[in-house]
Amino acid sequence: EPEVTQTPSHQVTQMGQEVILRCVPISNHLYFYWYRQILGQKVEFLVSFYNNEISEKSEIFDDQFSVERPDGSNFTLKIRSTKLEDSAMYFCASSGLAETQYFGPGTRLLVL
Amino acid sequence: GENVEQHPSTLSVQEGDSAVIKCTYSDSASNYFPWYKQELGKRPQLIIDIRSNVGEKKDQRIAVTLNKTAKHFSLHITETQPEDSAVYFCAPRDWANNLFFGTGTRLTVIP
Repeated sequence: EPEVTQTPSHQVTQMGQEVILRCVPISNHLYFYWYRQILGQKVEFLVSFYNNEISEKSEIFDDQFSVERPDGSNFTLKIRSTKLEDSAMYFCASSGLAETQYFGPGTRLLVL
Repeated sequence: GENVEQHPSTLSVQEGDSAVIKCTYSDSASNYFPWYKQELGKRPQLIIDIRSNVGEKKDQRIAVTLNKTAKHFSLHITETQPEDSAVYFCAPRDWANNLFFGTGTRLTVIP
């Protein structure tokens, strides 16, 4: 069964550094999403992406964040200048024409 | 975005008993209502979902009921087993087709 994959599984970075989190959505899916989950808290919506552009974004998704689909398979989340409070698990998800969103295994980001 | 609340925040049941988790939401335009199960350190996994034109859906030991008028939907797990222990999230879809997760319910099934 096809799955969403994410790399890296863990990333440690220094405050102020840029990070890029990568996702490979399920191949025939059209809608892509990023969520984050701070340890012990709920999953929070960051951004949705369709037809090569952002569909919706939450107030968390400020100018430090950007998303890109650089080729036909990858979907990336870039954080330009990381802050301590960006430490979280970041999940990518994708969906096809049906509503069901399938989540990747996540990238645990730790900002020191 | 949606305002989503879940109750209870923690739930302990004896193995074999039933568990019920309730989710309330604010966006009356929501029309898709999934439940996700998340084990420690793992991804959220869809366990059941329901669309707004249906009042109840069942899949073996798991069922979801929807009350659109009152804007709430519930997860029912019967004959609970230790492997049902996890955090459960409701995640109604808002008008913009994005999921908004509830605060989660930690279910513990005691053998």
